[in-house]
Amino acid sequence: DVKVTQSSRYLVKRTGEKVFLECVQDMDHENMFWYRQDPGLGLRLIYFSYDVKMKEKGDIPEGYSVSREKKERFSLILESASTNQTSMYLCASSFRRLAGVRNEQFFGPGTRLTVL
Amino acid sequence: AQSVTQPDIHITVSEGASLELRCNYSYGATPYLFWYVQSPGQGLQLLLKYFSGDTLVQGIKGFEAEFKRSQSSFNLRKPSVHWSDAAEYFCAVVLDQTGANNLFFGTGTRLTVIP
Repeated sequence: DVKVTQSSRYLVKRTGEKVFLECVQDMDHENMFWYRQDPGLGLRLIYFSYDVKMKEKGDIPEGYSVSREKKERFSLILESASTNQTSMYLCASSFRRLAGVRNEQFFGPGTRLTVL
Repeated sequence: AQSVTQPDIHITVSEGASLELRCNYSYGATPYLFWYVQSPGQGLQLLLKYFSGDTLVQGIKGFEAEFKRSQSSFNLRKPSVHWSDAAEYFCAVVLDQTGANNLFFGTGTRLTVIP
């Protein structure tokens, strides 16, 4: 089974702290994604990466950065956490090429981040 | 602009009743469409997907969805709902069909199942 794991299920941080959210996948997927999920807004793409050391901005990249030093690991960084970044963060991964079942994204369990 | 619309924010059904969750998309080319389910406190799980071919697709947990190009819809159905189906359901479409497989999600429909 494909497995996407996230370093924490729940996280509480203070305003101004630097926050690292880690995601690891074990299926050799090229693509990895970070979303945030808010009530009434669904999932919104923050950043994605289609290869090691490559990154692309999604719909809401402001206030976030990412790092992908290894294929299996994709980190989301909040340089200076703010209260409006309180949210559920979901990581996902997928194969890059279009080929039937390879299109689907596999999701981790999510990290609920609270910024006080 | 490409978008996915789930017009129902919250639906309540009785256990054993049938279910239909609506999804409409706006996309110029043939879309790749997905339904995901999120149980409380969990990540998203793929229920089913449509790429091409037969417009009625079967998924896990007894769900099915029908792609109707004329209506730009991909509604999710289940003939008899179980209490364990209570969850949030997301429709999604792939926007970039050349590589990154970026998904664009609807805002979700929360399903409540009453005994």
